[in-house]
Amino acid sequence: GDSVTQMEGPVTLSEEAFLTINCTYTATGYPSLFWYVQYPGEGLQLLLKATKADDKGSNKGFEATYRKETTSFHLEKGSVQVSDSAVYFCALSSGNTPLVFGKGTRLSVIA
Amino acid sequence: EAQVTQNPRYLITVTGKKLTVTCSQNMNHEYMSWYRQDPGLGLRQIYYSMNVEVTDKGDVPEGYKVSRKEKRNFPLILESPSPNQTSLYFCASSSWTGVRTGELFFGEGSRLTVL
Repeated sequence: GDSVTQMEGPVTLSEEAFLTINCTYTATGYPSLFWYVQYPGEGLQLLLKATKADDKGSNKGFEATYRKETTSFHLEKGSVQVSDSAVYFCALSSGNTPLVFGKGTRLSVIA
Repeated sequence: EAQVTQNPRYLITVTGKKLTVTCSQNMNHEYMSWYRQDPGLGLRQIYYSMNVEVTDKGDVPEGYKVSRKEKRNFPLILESPSPNQTSLYFCASSSWTGVRTGELFFGEGSRLTVL
């Protein structure tokens, strides 16, 4: 079945550092790919998405590119802030089936 | 304001005492779902519903029940809670378009402790 694997956390960075959180997937067909973010004490919210190969999703300075050849959707941000501290979930959707989530990566950004 | 509302947000109970976690959405969404979040295991789906009176098991349905009598409500029922159901629970909803595109709206979570 479909699955998502993302890098283990926690990830701790200093403010203004470069962020990469790796995500790879296994799916039949051509899934849509997502990054969700969970801020402390809150539910998940959609951060960005990409629906086909080579698409780049972006939001709030975060970017991720749908790489079909490497089955990856790595999340990047050039300069993180303390307010980016959260848990980040990679996810995929293959049409009408429920979303499949990765296990989440906790990011802590220190001033 | 579009939202998914869960209650209670926090609950401590004892083994075997039936409880219900309510979930309500005001976006007229067809799809609703329950997840549990545990350290090291991420999000796991418990049950989901594609529409009124239609429910399906997710990955970890044992020990839980749900019902979908109205479009806006999707309560999660623990008939006889056990300590291994101590977890953080999330309700989510989506339109049909959102199901196809994977865009879910989540509630703020309900932290349940079973002693």
